[in-house]
Amino acid sequence: EIVLTQSPGTLSLSPGDRATLSCRASQSVSSSYLAWYQQKPGQAPRLLIYGVSSRATDIPDRFSGSGSGTDFTLTISRLEPEDFAVYYCQQYGSSPLTFGGGTKVEIK
Amino acid sequence: QVQLVQSGAEVKKPGASVKVSCKASGYTFTGYYIHWVRQAPGQGFEWMGWVIPDSGGTNYAQKFQGRVTMTRDTSISTAYMELSRLRSDDTAVYYCARGDVVTSLLPWGQGTLVTVSS
Repeated sequence: EIVLTQSPGTLSLSPGDRATLSCRASQSVSSSYLAWYQQKPGQAPRLLIYGVSSRATDIPDRFSGSGSGTDFTLTISRLEPEDFAVYYCQQYGSSPLTFGGGTKVEIK
Repeated sequence: QVQLVQSGAEVKKPGASVKVSCKASGYTFTGYYIHWVRQAPGQGFEWMGWVIPDSGGTNYAQKFQGRVTMTRDTSISTAYMELSRLRSDDTAVYYCARGDVVTSLLPWGQGTLVTVSS
């Protein structure tokens, strides 16, 4: 099973700041099958990024993904008020599908 | 639009079973896997398995083997997840999600809260 470790656990930033979230895998993620989700309280997750760097439909271009192998990054170039949420990475290249523990982006 | 709508919240006693439904619309139901993922209160996500709507084939996470059954009814475009021998630590929101080899899980259902309490 691929274990995904996200860091930091919490990121305290202000609107307009740049956010950099990390996701490290215990072994190489097959075929770059790495996704990022955003979750707000009481809501289902929303797909942001798939295939490491492809934005899902209607996702603003301030969200970008990068990385390869075992190290991946989600960058939010300029935080908007609606971006304060919890973010999860997930690998879907091998079974079982696994998720990281999440990074909470909170208002400083 | 592509949508998954789940059944309502459930309260169960320890040892009981629960069956959650997930009705698909806006796409060809038999064309995509349906995955089940759960989230305990304040915790992250735990993948439980998938069902292939076309064939009925399944793949369960090892943790749930022997306790979970995933089925589907293609006539009404609905997938089901049944979890038996419930324990208090099965209290969670259970989500279904459409699986795609390219985009992974998209969309997700709205979630079903299952509370296990005596």
